[in-house]
Amino acid sequence: KAGVTQTPRYLIKTRGQQVTLSCSPISGHRSVSWYQQTPGQGLQFLFEYFSETQRNKGNFPGRFSGRQFSNSRSEMNVSTLELGDSALYLCASRRGRDRTNEKLFFGSGTQLSVL
Amino acid sequence: GNSVTQMEGPVTLSEEAFLTINCTYTATGYPSLFWYVQYPGEGLQLLLKATKADDKGSNKGFEATYRKETTSFHLEKGSVQVSDSAVYFCALSDTGGYNKLIFGAGTRLAVHP
Repeated sequence: KAGVTQTPRYLIKTRGQQVTLSCSPISGHRSVSWYQQTPGQGLQFLFEYFSETQRNKGNFPGRFSGRQFSNSRSEMNVSTLELGDSALYLCASRRGRDRTNEKLFFGSGTQLSVL
Repeated sequence: GNSVTQMEGPVTLSEEAFLTINCTYTATGYPSLFWYVQYPGEGLQLLLKATKADDKGSNKGFEATYRKETTSFHLEKGSVQVSDSAVYFCALSDTGGYNKLIFGAGTRLAVHP
């Protein structure tokens, strides 16, 4: 069974550009969440999608957005990139949303560098 | 708000030494608690979890007990191996949803032969 797949693995952009990252969850998983990992701030929750609807959002500016498609694949978009957006972006999936199935499966992440 | 505090690393041990990584939390309600591990170049993997007070999570020789009275969830292993070298994250599920995890800063463990 394939794991959570994130593309691309590495990305280099310049300030002011925008970027789209992609995440394919494990087959059968309908819930996808995104995290940003930086040396300074650690792991921070960005947002969560379930059945194409955003269910939760972290404390990030509106430049960070996402969506989920009917096949559960998800994308996140960052517009007007800033140097501080350089980070490892991790996607995680799980089958449902209820408490009895709490295991999150993480992808290997997309390493974004903003120059 | 909810938060997780982990001991700072790096932690450097010799093979077969005893490991403790401290984790304390602040939370309203009754969150679930987790330990995740991140190997170099990889995403996070769930190591163990506990969903209520006095629960003990265990996996691959690692253990942690949900202590509500001390708001702690310390990770322990009796005999570490070189292959355990990684970054360990303590986390809790925020009241906003079970995908919304709040992570500690992470503790890097280096085990030498």
